[in-house]
Amino acid sequence: EIVLTQSPGTLSLSPGETATLSCRASQRVSSRYLTWYQHKPGQAPRLVIYGASIRATGIPDRFSGRGSGTDFTLTISRLEPEDFAVYYCQQYDWSAALTFGGGTKVEI
Amino acid sequence: QMQLVESGGGVVQPGRSLRLSCAASGFSFSTYGMHWVRQAPGKGLEWVAVVWSDEISKYYADSVKGRFTISRDNSKNTLYLQMDSLRAEDTAVYYCVKDVWIDEYKLTDFWGQGTLVTVSS
Repeated sequence: EIVLTQSPGTLSLSPGETATLSCRASQRVSSRYLTWYQHKPGQAPRLVIYGASIRATGIPDRFSGRGSGTDFTLTISRLEPEDFAVYYCQQYDWSAALTFGGGTKVEI
Repeated sequence: QMQLVESGGGVVQPGRSLRLSCAASGFSFSTYGMHWVRQAPGKGLEWVAVVWSDEISKYYADSVKGRFTISRDNSKNTLYLQMDSLRAEDTAVYYCVKDVWIDEYKLTDFWGQGTLVTVSS
C-alpha cells in the first residue's frame, strides 16, 4: 500500500507570498494518477491539479504542479486571500482505491 | 451544471444501520464511476468505496469491508452507501465523488458538499 506524506503540516504565509507544498510517496507513483485538491471548511473539495502538473478548468495560473516518481510539489505563487485552505494530494491505486496525503494547511 | 447532493446522514447508535444517498445531475451519471470518501472530525480524507458505471464492479477500503455496501441506480441517477454495524470510528462527513478519465489521466473531478454521520450512544 502506497502512503503519501505531505509536508509541512501547516504553512503560515502572507498574501503575495509563495507557498510550496510537498507530497512524497512511499513508492513510485504514476504522474498520470497524481492529483491535488483544495479544501475549505464546510465546502466540497475542489480539483486543482491532475496528472501531477495539469491545472483543472478555472484554476488560475499561479497554481502549478510538478514532480515524478515519489516526489511531487504544488506551488502557489502570489497567494491570494481565497487560496488559504487545506491542500491534499491524492493518488489513484491500481486496485481502484484512492490514497490521500494528510494535507497541508496554508494559513495567514 | 454538475451537482452531487448527499443526504441521509444523522446521529445513529453503535451497531445500527444508515443508508446514504447521493443525487447526481448535470452530467451523464451512468457513464462514470462513483466513490464515497469520508473525513472524520479533525482528520484527513479517507477513501471508502467505489462502484463502476456497470453497477457491478465494486471495491472497498479494508476499514469498511463486510459492513458497508456501495450501490447505484443509473435509472435514478443516484449513488448509495448502506452502512451496517456502525462504529464510533465511522463518524465523519461522507462525500460523494465523481470519477473520470481525461485523456490518459485518471482522477476524481467533482465532489458533493457531504453529509455528516455521527455514531454515538
